Amino acid sequence: AQTVTQSQPEMSVQEAETVTLSCTYDTSENNYYLFWYKQPPSRQMILVIRQEAYKQQNATENRFSVNFQKAAKSFSLKISDSQLGDTAMYFCAFLTTSGTYKYIFGTGTRLKVLA
Amino acid sequence: EAGVTQFPSHSVIEKGQTVTLRCDPISGHDNLYWYRRVMGKEIKFLLHFVKESKQDESGMPNNRFLAERTGGTYSTLKVQPAELEDSGVYFCASSQLFTGELFFGEGSRLTVL
Repeated sequence: AQTVTQSQPEMSVQEAETVTLSCTYDTSENNYYLFWYKQPPSRQMILVIRQEAYKQQNATENRFSVNFQKAAKSFSLKISDSQLGDTAMYFCAFLTTSGTYKYIFGTGTRLKVLA
Repeated sequence: EAGVTQFPSHSVIEKGQTVTLRCDPISGHDNLYWYRRVMGKEIKFLLHFVKESKQDESGMPNNRFLAERTGGTYSTLKVQPAELEDSGVYFCASSQLFTGELFFGEGSRLTVL
């Protein structure tokens, strides 16, 4: 069974600084997708970034980038130039594509950006 | 365009009572998912609809939970009778493609006393 592990329950970062959130996963599949979602306080969860496992190049979306290490089954999220609006719960997710299309989420990391 | 909407946003019931949660996905999204998060734990998969059919219901805890998706549009999740361990936030999400972005509702917080 696939699992997703986020080992950092809470983190904080100063505004304008860089922070990295870690995520590891376990799977025997070769083709899958990885995502980072964020849930700001009292708001809906939204997609931050997505990575296809078959792509070697790390995904980037403006200030958000990932470090995808397929062999190590690691998928960390780097937030550069942190802003107050980045304060949120961040969830790492794995999408299996064999049989059923089921997203598996981690326990989340609560990130607080400090002014 | 309207996003995914869930109702109610918060429900407080006593053990043994029944609660029905509703989710209206984004129009045109065939895929509809239900997830649950218990405080401090992972967002746990409950089930996946493709249109009106249950694609995968392996995450449903037991037969006290019943999910339906009428005509492939909105979905309901009924818990009957509710138990204390059913407390948590129930999220609904929809997507257009199997591998596409999930669009989440704000969640329905269920508290069973």
